[in-house]
Amino acid sequence: DGGITQSPKYLFRKEGQNVTLSCEQNLNHDAMYWYRQDPGQGLRLIYYSQIVNDFQKGDIAEGYSVSREKKESFPLTVTSAQKNPTAFYLCASSMTGQGRNQPQHFGDGTRLSIL
Amino acid sequence: AQSVAQPEDQVNVAEGNPLTVKCTYSVSGNPYLFWYVQYPNRGLQFLLKYITGDNLVKGSYGFEAEFNKSQTSFHLKKPSALVSDSALYFCAVRDGRGNKLVFGAGTILRVKS
Repeated sequence: DGGITQSPKYLFRKEGQNVTLSCEQNLNHDAMYWYRQDPGQGLRLIYYSQIVNDFQKGDIAEGYSVSREKKESFPLTVTSAQKNPTAFYLCASSMTGQGRNQPQHFGDGTRLSIL
Repeated sequence: AQSVAQPEDQVNVAEGNPLTVKCTYSVSGNPYLFWYVQYPNRGLQFLLKYITGDNLVKGSYGFEAEFNKSQTSFHLKKPSALVSDSALYFCAVRDGRGNKLVFGAGTILRVKS
């Protein structure tokens, strides 16, 4: 059963701590995305990657970092530089090239809170 | 740069009545438009898309959307609302060149029995 798995579902961060959110997909999609969701603001793009070993900043990349060492995996690190990390984080994937008219597929999210 | 506006924070409708959730967009070139639904503490689920062709697009769970180029709108509709349709709905647009989507702020739909 193909899909996107995000873990953990809930995560708590202490002051000065970096935390990493996991995103794995078995859809064989080239492109992967990280979004941040805050109430009333919709989804804002943090980082995206269209191919392994390459990624680009989205609209709100400050305080976040990513890696794309494998096609299936796109982990997001929320660093201590992100002063307001409390949000719902969503990972998505999609085809590229001629398949990019297909919709993005989403995981079920990770809710990050500050202790 | 592309943008999406969902002018209503919340839409309330009685079960069995028709529903409309509004979306307008701005994009250079041809728009690629999508509607997604989100239930509490879940990811987004794809409902329907407009790429090209007929202006009336049919999607999942009885939803449809009408693309209007002159009004730059892509309103989501359903002839008869169900209580189970209550959720958060997002409209999104992509221009013809890239893979990135731009999302509206979302509209909460409440269907009352």
